[in-house]
Parts: sequence; C-alpha cells; structure tokens
Amino acid sequence: QKEVEQDPGPLSVPEGAIVSLNCTYSNSAFQYFMWYRQYSRKGPELLMYTYSSGNKEDGRFTAQVDKSSKYISLFIRDSQPSDSATYLCAMKVRGAPGGGSYIPTFGRGTSLIVHP
Amino acid sequence: DAGVTQSPTHLIKTRGQHVTLRCSPISGHKSVSWYQQVLGQGPQFIFQYYEKEERGRGNFPDRFSARQFPNYSSELNVNALLLGDSALYLCASSRGLGVEEKLFFGSGTQLSVL
Repeated sequence: QKEVEQDPGPLSVPEGAIVSLNCTYSNSAFQYFMWYRQYSRKGPELLMYTYSSGNKEDGRFTAQVDKSSKYISLFIRDSQPSDSATYLCAMKVRGAPGGGSYIPTFGRGTSLIVHP
Repeated sequence: DAGVTQSPTHLIKTRGQHVTLRCSPISGHKSVSWYQQVLGQGPQFIFQYYEKEERGRGNFPDRFSARQFPNYSSELNVNALLLGDSALYLCASSRGLGVEEKLFFGSGTQLSVL
C-alpha cells in the first residue's frame, strides 16, 4: 500500500461544476498538506497548503484536511476549462535526524477535464 | 523575476551512459531539491540540498548523485543509465528547509533512455 493514495481519474465535468478531489494517506507523521496543479509538460504549481485539520479557502479553491480520518480534499467551485490539469496532493514528513529537511510525498495525481 | 530554470529541456541517452541535469533556483532561494516523475505518477523525492550540503536523500540507488554550487545552482548526475530512468526530472527551489517553505518547480528535463 502506498503512503498516499489518489484516484488517477480522469474526472470529466461540465464548466461551472463543483469539483471534489481527494487523497487518503497512511503515515500519521505527515504534518503539512498541499495541493499542486500540473499542466502538461510543466512543473507542478502550488495551489493550496495547510497545516491543520479543517478548511482553508482561497478564491474558488477550498482545501480540507481531516487528520483523524487521514483524508484530504480539494474543492473547486465554478470550474473553468482552464482548470483542466492534473491535481497532485502532497504532504511533508520530517526527514532523517540532523538533516533539518521535510520530505514531500506526492500522490499520483488526478487528471481533471472541464469541458465547455 | 525568473522562476526555476532547468536545462536541457529534453535529452535522449542510451543505456549505460551518464547524464548531467542542471537547475538554477529562484534568486534568493538557498535550497534545491530534485524529483523523478514517471509518466502517470507523482514526483518522487531524490535529493535536497541547502547551503551546498545534502540535507535529504530519497530511496534511489547510488547511481544518482547531486551537488549544489556556491551560487545555489545544482546538478543531478545519473550514471549507468537504465531504461527505467526514463522520466521527467524536476528541480524545485525554496528559501530554506522549514516545513512551511513553499516549493517552486521548474518545467523539468524530459529524459529518454533507449
């Protein structure tokens, strides 16, 4: 079982729909949760980040974390064709002792298609 | 300001060869990390460097090595290439190592091993 599970999709929705993207994780040591958007042939771009359980909203995007269930979600309201991309969840865990780094673990990404 | 830049954008090599990938971080960023992204998968952590020192290493064989230079740019080296090394190699920079440090990714180097 992978540490981070994410349905690869594709998820196809009409323009204007509310999109729900989800990840589950198994490592209780994960402590910082992120969502990235990746367009084809580009690097991932950070969309949302949060430390704690609960909701965080930024414009059309809402990130939700439930640490007790080890479940995170990203909601996109009023989806647009320009939102068509792969959405990656990611979470950080402290690296090896003495290194001082936090290592991100990514899900495999969900491909989202928003059609006009 | 320029973002994270990587070179080359594409590379074709044959099995057994060696490859060097390069990354220039965002100005003011002192940490660089490297990731391998196989088609259909998320990025997998390879190395993190901060102030020219290795601060984290992922589960990759010793054929993979990296270094960071005084200007904070970085190189990733892969020896004895295998077909399975074909992937998009991503570089990310951040100001530091803290858990809340945001990672900014380059567009990657697409490596094909034939």
